[in-house]
Amino acid sequence: ILNVEQSPQSLHVQEGDSTNFTCSFPSSNFYALHWYRWETAKSPEALFVMTLNGDEKKKGRISATLNTKEGYSYLYIKGSQPEDSATYLCAFQGGSEKLVFGKGTKLTVNP
Amino acid sequence: DVKVTQSSRYLVKRTGEKVFLECVQDMDHENMFWYRQDPGLGLRLIYFSYDVKMKEKGDIPEGYSVSREKKERFSLILESASTNQTSMYLCANRQQGSGTEAFFGQGTRLTVV
Repeated sequence: ILNVEQSPQSLHVQEGDSTNFTCSFPSSNFYALHWYRWETAKSPEALFVMTLNGDEKKKGRISATLNTKEGYSYLYIKGSQPEDSATYLCAFQGGSEKLVFGKGTKLTVNP
Repeated sequence: DVKVTQSSRYLVKRTGEKVFLECVQDMDHENMFWYRQDPGLGLRLIYFSYDVKMKEKGDIPEGYSVSREKKERFSLILESASTNQTSMYLCANRQQGSGTEAFFGQGTRLTVV
């Protein structure tokens, strides 16, 4: 079983704070690294899919970086808002069509 | 608007019953997946299918089987439901390739009593 680790497990921040989470994954057989946001009572939705070492992607206040050689990715949220409260999942695709997910980081943004 | 539809949002079944969870997509994607989500354990892959009639075991296939007779439909079958299969079940699909995102259904919360 592939090991995809996310940290921290949960995080509470104040509105306006910037924050970041980590996803670590195997550094061999890399195809892609995905980030998803999963809000309560909704389905997970893709934020980013990254395939190249050194990739940096941005969507509004959220950005992500990728280091495939050392096997980690960071997700950054700038100026957190209450609507950013969700569980953030990363998923590793390595050598096949399978997606293996980490356990997620649950973010709560307090107004 | 793309759609991944799971047949039920909530389901209650008795121990020993045969249970079918259906997932239908309208995106013409080759890959379809069944995950279960449990508190503290994240999304764990049960089975996936990369083509009609093709399937591969995921990380926790025991107690489950799947069927993919048509490209748009992927069924998860619990042959004899047990209480430890009480969980949230999520279906997903993806186009083949390394840069393609997954699309998820709304989830089925199954309770086995």
